Amino acid sequence: GAGVSQSPSNKVTEKGKDVELRCDPISGHTALYWYRQSLGQGLEFLIYFQGNSAPDKSGLPSDRFSAERTGGSVSTLTIQRTQQEDSAVYLCASSRQPNTEAFFGQGTRLTVV
Amino acid sequence: GQSLEQPSEVTAVEGAIVQINCTYQTSGFYGLSWYQQHDGGAPTFLSYNALDGLEETGRFSSFLSRSDSYGYLLLQELQMKDSASYFCAVIRDSNYQLIWGAGTKLIIKP
Repeated sequence: GAGVSQSPSNKVTEKGKDVELRCDPISGHTALYWYRQSLGQGLEFLIYFQGNSAPDKSGLPSDRFSAERTGGSVSTLTIQRTQQEDSAVYLCASSRQPNTEAFFGQGTRLTVV
Repeated sequence: GQSLEQPSEVTAVEGAIVQINCTYQTSGFYGLSWYQQHDGGAPTFLSYNALDGLEETGRFSSFLSRSDSYGYLLLQELQMKDSASYFCAVIRDSNYQLIWGAGTKLIIKP
């Protein structure tokens, strides 16, 4: 596609429910990143994919968070048993190679009530 | 640990020049990037420095000193549309992870 696409754009969920966030990167981009951003804050790194493998999962806040990437393209971030502190904007970015310009999607705004 | 320091807020006047500083302390360094983010929008790439010196792109320039673990973003001929948050980010050479600063909110007054 022309840019990084994320869905849904907004998600309201009840505490304790599982949610799945989707990222469709730019075609041909091998690197894919997930970040979390709270209002007025910087970006918190969650996980990085190179192809289908995740060499760095160090940013995942807890074992309730998991992510996968299939076919070197689409990635899903799953949050199980959501908590109110999980409320944030979840941003996905992709780049042609790991050390080149990253292009961001518009994010998924997650609200846990 | 890994840390990047940048001012939380900077105020400038339309038409002026402003410099946003970034100091970093990371284990491993590959390069320093700058991103712009308008309220409610996604970050967009501005510049990247891997070597010491100044990179110029139109009204925006970015500088890096690896020996000082320091860089800055210079914005010239400020326009109201430049009001946004600006983030510096370090690319670590070990795993290409991007480590982000907390961002600098640039407020431009007419």
